[in-house]
Amino acid sequence: AQKITQTQPGMFVQEKEAVTLDCTYDTSDQSYGLFWYKQPSSGEMIFLIYQGSYDEQNATEGRYSLNFQKARKSANLVISASQLGDSAMYFCAMREGYNQGGKLIFGQGTELSVKP
Amino acid sequence: GAGVSQSPRYKVTKRGQDVALRCDPISGHVSLYWYRQALGQGPEFLTYFNYEAQQDKSGLPNDRFSAERPEGSISTLTIQRTEQRDSAMYRCASSLTASGINPGELFFGEGSRLTVL
Repeated sequence: AQKITQTQPGMFVQEKEAVTLDCTYDTSDQSYGLFWYKQPSSGEMIFLIYQGSYDEQNATEGRYSLNFQKARKSANLVISASQLGDSAMYFCAMREGYNQGGKLIFGQGTELSVKP
Repeated sequence: GAGVSQSPRYKVTKRGQDVALRCDPISGHVSLYWYRQALGQGPEFLTYFNYEAQQDKSGLPNDRFSAERPEGSISTLTIQRTEQRDSAMYRCASSLTASGINPGELFFGEGSRLTVL
């Protein structure tokens, strides 16, 4: 079974609108971390946001927020007020366990296109 | 250095040759990771080190792949007897620490694109 599932291969959003990128995960660990990364066409990997499994509040970083629904095992990324520069590939990732550091399991990604 | 540096950026080799990919992490970062990313896919974990100790090599596809970090800084990923299926982007990442719930941001290098003909 897939550990990280991103069901939207591609998404379009109008500039200045909000968009939600879906991510569901599968783990039996109680302690885990969830990450979102952005990969523009240049190929670099840019860390966006992190949510720990014990965090009670949804993580937010500027225009990015993570809608964490633990019972449903979902960790959707919400980007508010989309900008043209948000066009990129977005990856959801999970770290299982407490001391696994940066050993992450990545999803297949969602390609986001922001229209002017 | 300012960021994670990888070399070579591009490597084209013939099937059966050995290749060595180098990663220079951010100075002072304890943990170093190797990932492989096929076109259109998410990165796939290969192995990681804390200091010079290889902590986990469960993602290495087979025994043609090996990695080392002898002095706890620069790391080399070696692929012996390359095959066409080894063609991918190989990414190195480092983090300040590896322990705890959140190790902090994982800093990725620009990657080494390997093409095996």
